[in-house]
This record gives sequence, C-alpha cells and structure tokens, in this order.
Amino acid sequence: AQRVTQPEKLLSVFKGAPVELKCNYSYSGSPELFWYVQYSRQRLQLLLRHISRESIKGFTADLNKGETSFHLKKPFAQEEDSAMYYCALSGQGAQKLVFGQGTRLTINP
Amino acid sequence: KAGVTQTPRYLIKTRGQQVTLSCSPISGHRSVSWYQQTPGQGLQFLFEYFSETQRNKGNFPGRFSGRQFSNSRSEMNVSTLELGDSALYLCASSLDPGAGTEAFFGQGTRLTVV
Repeated sequence: AQRVTQPEKLLSVFKGAPVELKCNYSYSGSPELFWYVQYSRQRLQLLLRHISRESIKGFTADLNKGETSFHLKKPFAQEEDSAMYYCALSGQGAQKLVFGQGTRLTINP
Repeated sequence: KAGVTQTPRYLIKTRGQQVTLSCSPISGHRSVSWYQQTPGQGLQFLFEYFSETQRNKGNFPGRFSGRQFSNSRSEMNVSTLELGDSALYLCASSLDPGAGTEAFFGQGTRLTVV
C-alpha cells in the first residue's frame, strides 16, 4: 500500500531557529518523493523533489530509504516560510500523487 | 504563461443533483489529474488522464467520472451528489505523465452540497 505520514499537523518555531518537517512513507518499490507548499491564499505548488537534489528557498530534503523518510529541513526559519506543507509520493511511472495530511508551519517573529 | 484554470470557482448544489467541473491545463501539458481535498481526508487522488485516456483511478465510487478532450482540457462529473461530496476539487497538469514530473495545480473548485 502507498502511504505518506506527516506526524505533525502543526509546527511552530521562532524566526531564525532550525525547522524540520517530518515525512515517512510506505511504498513497495522506488517512489519519487516531493514536498509541495501552499502559502496563504495561493495555489498548491512544488517546493522540491528528491530527484533534483536541489535546495529551494533554503529548504533541503534527503531521501532515507532505510528509514523510508523524506524530512524537510531549513537551518534558519523565516517568517515567509509560514505555510501548509505536504509531502507526497508517486511511482510506477504514474503522475498519481499520494499526499500526507500536511503540516501547518508557523514562524513566530 | 497562464496557469491551470478551473471553473467555476464556487458551486452550491442540492443532494441528488449532478455537477460538472472544468479544468484547462497549462498550454502544452497533456497530463491532467484531479484531487479531492477535505479537512478530514486531506488530498485524495481521483483520476489521471493523458492523451484522452484515463491512466489511473483513485478509490472513489462510480458516481465520480471524468474525461479529457483532444485539446487536453478535462472535465469531471459527480452524479447523485451526497453531502459528503462537499470539498475542494483540485486539478493539476503536467508536461508528461511520468512519475517525478512536476504537477501544477489550479486554484480549485469549492463544491458545497446542501
């Protein structure tokens, strides 16, 4: 079964502090992993994907196949990072995305 | 270039009615997917279309159906509406149907069933 788990529904950190949003997945095969973000009153958009191995807006995510995790990290949080973050996976050559329940990140000044 | 456009943005329907939602993908994108978003279930996959063919279908009853036209525009239809169908319906388009391809989302259609 394909499943994505984001254990934290809400996460609040202070500006300048490190932030880590957790994501664990269940998939029999080699999935593609993504982080999507939704800022207030904006549409859902891609933040980053593991195949690109890039850092976007200071965020990085490392795929750990042993722990089946794809945690999102940023060393110094900024107020504009406040948003809803969704971890998602796709696989088997399909566009179908399986989403986690999302984590609402709030950065306090 | 224009993003994914969904119409209408808001709909109010009565139980038992049917509804059709429309999605215009980004120009050049041939893959379109639909998702249902509710507070309780989160984002759930409905269907995926590529070149007018349904490639994947989520775990939804047969009342939910969709189609894609030759210009890649897509529609989804829900018949015999139930209160539980109230949700935000999101459409996403991508350049190709492969896994790992970025999906671009529309603003969604907010459906309320009363």
